[in-house]
Amino acid sequence: DAGVTQSPTHLIKTRGQQVTLRCSPKSGHDTVSWYQQALGQGPQFIFQYYEEEERQRGNFPDRFSGHQFPNYSSELNVNALLLGDSALYLCASSYELVRTDTQYFGPGTRLTVL
Amino acid sequence: GQQLNQSPQSMFIQEGEDVSMNCTSSSIFNTWLWYKQEPGEGPVLLIALYKAGELTSNGRLTAQFGITRKDSFLNISASIPSDVGIYFCAGQGNDMRFGAGTRLTVKP
Repeated sequence: DAGVTQSPTHLIKTRGQQVTLRCSPKSGHDTVSWYQQALGQGPQFIFQYYEEEERQRGNFPDRFSGHQFPNYSSELNVNALLLGDSALYLCASSYELVRTDTQYFGPGTRLTVL
Repeated sequence: GQQLNQSPQSMFIQEGEDVSMNCTSSSIFNTWLWYKQEPGEGPVLLIALYKAGELTSNGRLTAQFGITRKDSFLNISASIPSDVGIYFCAGQGNDMRFGAGTRLTVKP
């Protein structure tokens, strides 16, 4: 049983560019949450998707957007990249919107903005 | 920024020693969680706490949900080299907030 998978593993972009990160949830999970983890910090909640809709959002600007597909996989899009967007982006999946306490994290995508 | 205050920031201990770390918040949470993260991996859930005052164990790990619902601690007994990693507390209310982590180094 595959756990949460994310692609790509690493990514290098320049300021002003746009990026799309991808996540496939653990089998049987229908809820996907995205987190940003800056170096030396804990993860910060970006947003959560359930039934193809954004259900909750953390304190992130509109440059951060997402999507969930009918097969529950999800994308995170970041526009107009800033140097400060350099971080590890984690995807987590869970079963049912209310059970994020039992969410499983993927290994993350390391984004470097130059 | 981080909403939870986690301490200590790092610990260097000898194999076999006990470890204690804690987390405090200005907000009340319904659930407290403790995760461990190793290099190249996402956080892995160690213990989940759902009720104020609750004390829960998972092997050599013990965690407590503070009575005020604003704090939690994690103890690791008889540490071993594979305990090395970064430990995060997280509080769940309307969303999930994480501490900045405690980096644990265990010397054999």
